[in-house]
Amino acid sequence: QSVLTQPPSVSAAPGQKVTISCSGSSSNIGNNYVSWYQQLPGTAPKLLIYENNKRPSGIPDRFSGSKSGTSATLGITGLQTGDEADYYCGTWDSSLSAPNWVFGGGTKLTVL
Amino acid sequence: QVQLVESGGGVVQPGGSLRLSCAASGFTFSSYGMHWVRQAPGKGLEWVAFIRYDGSNKYYADSVKGRFTISRDNSKNTLYLQMNSLRAEDTAVYYCAKDSIAEAFDIWGQGTMVTVSS
Repeated sequence: QSVLTQPPSVSAAPGQKVTISCSGSSSNIGNNYVSWYQQLPGTAPKLLIYENNKRPSGIPDRFSGSKSGTSATLGITGLQTGDEADYYCGTWDSSLSAPNWVFGGGTKLTVL
Repeated sequence: QVQLVESGGGVVQPGGSLRLSCAASGFTFSSYGMHWVRQAPGKGLEWVAFIRYDGSNKYYADSVKGRFTISRDNSKNTLYLQMNSLRAEDTAVYYCAKDSIAEAFDIWGQGTMVTVSS
């Protein structure tokens, strides 16, 4: 059971928009930055969004992030078949006595 | 270019040990904290351990505390993970990842597979 909750799967048609939610608590999302990662089949994860809504260089502006309270959302517009991947949210959790990084369980995006 | 390359994975019996390495290049390794993150077959990402840029602080997930040790050699630009008392549930692809601002992992290696099986 992951500390952060994501829907197992989402789907949409090419060209459409999709959002992926990530729900946590005050000990993680509520008081820390959220990052998002894309994992294409058979490859390592790749940073998509950091500090809730910032994109590293090279990440297209079709990808966006937002945070409100103890939840965060990843948005992808103009869907392409190459966007089919698993997406993970992540943050730092301060509920334990020592620093602890946590991830959501992942969301599989299917572009129909 | 910025790169992380893991090595040292393999098949080991339950109770055995293994040491993973992660060679860094393309950035000032000694200036950044580093993580190990693992992914069991068909499962999601699980953070394993973190070490500060100078090795002064180390943190572990409860699932590996007391069994795994993270370390680094800044003169060799290399990160390590010593894994002892391995269990079947430690079977996973192990990634090293560079720490960036705001608790994000900005660079990932390609991963190395560890299989714990008799």
